[in-house]
Amino acid sequence: AQKITQTQPGMFVQEKEAVTLDCTYDTSDQSYGLFWYKQPSSGEMIFLIYQGSYDEQNATEGRYSLNFQKARKSANLVISASQLGDSAMYFCAMREFFWGSARQLTFGSGTQLTVLP
Amino acid sequence: GAGVSQSPSNKVTEKGKDVELRCDPISGHTALYWYRQSLGQGLEFLIYFQGNSAPDKSGLPSDRFSAERTGGSVSTLTIQRTQQEDSAVYLCASSLRSTSGKSSTDTQYFGPGTRLTVL
Repeated sequence: AQKITQTQPGMFVQEKEAVTLDCTYDTSDQSYGLFWYKQPSSGEMIFLIYQGSYDEQNATEGRYSLNFQKARKSANLVISASQLGDSAMYFCAMREFFWGSARQLTFGSGTQLTVLP
Repeated sequence: GAGVSQSPSNKVTEKGKDVELRCDPISGHTALYWYRQSLGQGLEFLIYFQGNSAPDKSGLPSDRFSAERTGGSVSTLTIQRTQQEDSAVYLCASSLRSTSGKSSTDTQYFGPGTRLTVL
């Protein structure tokens, strides 16, 4: 069964500094995808970044990068140069891609990030 | 282009009443998903549509919950005889497809959600 673990319920970071949000996952499949979403207080889930299990390069999207360590089954999100608008809940999610796998995402419990001025 | 839209944004109902929640996915997205987010349970999968068919209803918590999708587009989630434990935010998401294993087609984009409160 899929499982996503986010061990940091809350994190604080100073504005303009970098922060790493941890995510570990558990799957026996070789083909899977890892996603990070941001959920501000308004409630909408905003897609940030994707990493495929066969991708050789770590994914990057602007100030977001994913530190993918396949052997450790970790997919940590790195936010560089934090901004006040980055304050939100961040969710790590996964789905497997083998034939017959469930199509839905399995989410971690989330990390509440607060950026301090 | 337009994102996923959901209506109503808020719904307050009395215990025992039926409610309908609507989701309008991104145009051209063939896959549609319903999730529920509550304080105690986090994000839970409810049901998945590919086109108009629902190959995976495994997340529906009881037979009071049902969903349909018509024309490969709009979906309606219906909760009959609502209970207080149904109070949650109901999120809808869509993706271009669901089978390719590529981020460009499998990434799920979420709507703003419907906050349901059952009194």
